[in-house]
Parts: sequence; C-alpha cells; structure tokens
Amino acid sequence: DAGVTQSPTHLIKTRGQQVTLRCSPKSGHDTVSWYQQALGQGPQFIFQYYEEEERQRGNFPDRFSGHQFPNYSSELNVNALLLGDSALYLCASSLSGAPGNEQFFGPGTRLTVL
Amino acid sequence: AQSVTQPDIHITVSEGASLELRCNYSYGATPYLFWYVQSPGQGLQLLLKYFSGDTLVQGIKGFEAEFKRSQSSFNLRKPSVHWSDAAEYFCAVGAREYGNKLVFGAGTILRVKS
Repeated sequence: DAGVTQSPTHLIKTRGQQVTLRCSPKSGHDTVSWYQQALGQGPQFIFQYYEEEERQRGNFPDRFSGHQFPNYSSELNVNALLLGDSALYLCASSLSGAPGNEQFFGPGTRLTVL
Repeated sequence: AQSVTQPDIHITVSEGASLELRCNYSYGATPYLFWYVQSPGQGLQLLLKYFSGDTLVQGIKGFEAEFKRSQSSFNLRKPSVHWSDAAEYFCAVGAREYGNKLVFGAGTILRVKS
C-alpha cells in the first residue's frame, strides 16, 4: 500500500501565478481533504472532496479551488498567488463513514511564492 | 466553534525522562481526538486516536493519551523519551457534527537532550 502520495514535493512560483498540486489517496479511501500549514503553525483545513464534489470548506478565499476525479485522486488549485500562500500543503485521505473518519496524511508539497 | 490549545510551544526533556504534552479543546459535541507527530520537512504521522470507550488510549512508539471530558483535555504521555522522539507534536479534534475536518493546535516542539 503506497499510502497517500503528493506531487510535486517542492514548487517555487512568483506572485500572481497559478499553481496546481496533486494528491492520490490511500488505497480504498474515497475522501480527500486539503490543509495548509504555514511555517510555525498547525495545519488549517482548506476543503474536503467526496464523490467529486466539495463537501466542506474552511475559511479560505475563492482563489483556492479543487477537484476530485473518479479514481478519487484530487487537485488543489491556487490562483493569483500571494506571498502569504507560501506553506506546506498537506493532503489527507479517509474512508467516508469510518469511525472518526481517521485521516491519513501525505508528505506534503512545499510551495514557495517569491 | 472548535478550537484546540497546546499551551507549550517548546518542551525540552532529558533522554529517558517522562513526557507529558498538554492539549485542551473547546467543543460542544463528543469529539474525535488525535495526536499526530511531524518530523522536519515531513507529513503528519498518526500516533493515537480517541473515538469512544476507554478514555486511556495506547498508540504507536510507546505513547498513550487520556481523554478527560471534565477538563476538556487529551494529554499525550510517554514514560521514557528516546532521542528519536524529537519532533513537533500536534493535537487535533474532529466531529461528525462539524463535517469531517480536523482542527489542529499550534503544535509543541519536543527537544530531547542526551
């Protein structure tokens, strides 16, 4: 079992650009959540996808959007990048309906905005 | 609204000494509680979780945590710390009533001195 995988590992962009991050969930999982972890802080929930739809969203602007594909993999898109978007972006997968919906995290994508 | 407080930003313990990391949560429902560990530049690894039942839960790497509803706490403990335990530890809370997002504390950085 490969667990949750994310690509790319690192990414450098400039202000105003757009970025797409990718996530493949753990085998058997159908739900994907995305979190932003700024330096020195705990992860913050961006949104969650289930059955190819956004099921829940945190307090993030519309510049942050996502998608889930039929194979349950997911993308996070960020438009009009700001310096403050520099962070580690974590993807977590879970099985809908499982007790507590335990989430398994990937290694993250480190985004640097210059 | 959900919130998680980890009062200690940094903790330093000697190798072989006992450890307790504090976590307090604010929540109106029965929470799901988690402790994750993060090594530098890595994703999050689940140490242990509490959904229901026995309030003392055992996790990996010799960690345990106790859920105390009256104190809204879920403190992490280890009887004897190893140098490899040096990392950042995050407490997180979730609940079915709030969807399945996790709310994280700001983390506690553990340093182990030999």
